[in-house]
Amino acid sequence: DVQLVQSGAEVKEAGESLKISCKGSGYLFSTYWLGWVRQKPGKGLEWMGIIYPGDSDTRYSPSFQGQVTISADKSISTAYLQWSSLKASDTATYFCAKLRYCSGTCSYGMDVWGQGTTVTVSS
Amino acid sequence: QSVLTQPPSVSAAPGQTVTISCSGSSSNIGKDFVSWYQQLPGTAPKLLIYENNKRPSGIPDRFSGSKSGTSATLHITGLQTGDEADYYCESWDSRGVFGGGTKLTVL
Repeated sequence: DVQLVQSGAEVKEAGESLKISCKGSGYLFSTYWLGWVRQKPGKGLEWMGIIYPGDSDTRYSPSFQGQVTISADKSISTAYLQWSSLKASDTATYFCAKLRYCSGTCSYGMDVWGQGTTVTVSS
Repeated sequence: QSVLTQPPSVSAAPGQTVTISCSGSSSNIGKDFVSWYQQLPGTAPKLLIYENNKRPSGIPDRFSGSKSGTSATLHITGLQTGDEADYYCESWDSRGVFGGGTKLTVL
């Protein structure tokens, strides 16, 4: 089975750093783009950015550029989402998702999703 | 303010048909594919439709998608109580963009 398993819930204080993970299995992890999506409590989905684990090519939404860092270690089939200094406004559930395909654009859908990691940041 | 515009909510009775619209522009839907996702309460989103009108394996044919110009539509026929969920459209505009989501209530 193709699946993405994310790290567990985190409770942090504002100003702290954090790195959450997403481990893929059941497919060739290095050859599919992987994305991160934010969902604030009671709100909609927000596209954060994507990474190609094969060469770590990364693309960010302008809203998240400079606010987070997306990385991957293809040797252990794991992608990461990282903050250097958390804010209370980062409180949300973060999903990773495998993209079906990218060719020029990446509008081909996200077909496998992780279970989500809830991050709570207190001020 | 989302790049793609969806109605906040729709409702219909079991067995009926409902449509959810997704309005964009020439820089996103007008030149790229649209995907649709279903998010049941407390769960991760699930891909329902990709490339405007294709269904992944396991998705019932009660769910269908269409696109015309800068708008897309999700059609759900034979509504069931289990279809109560939030529905999101997605496209590409130099980067990925989602609609604001539509809450479907099955009365």
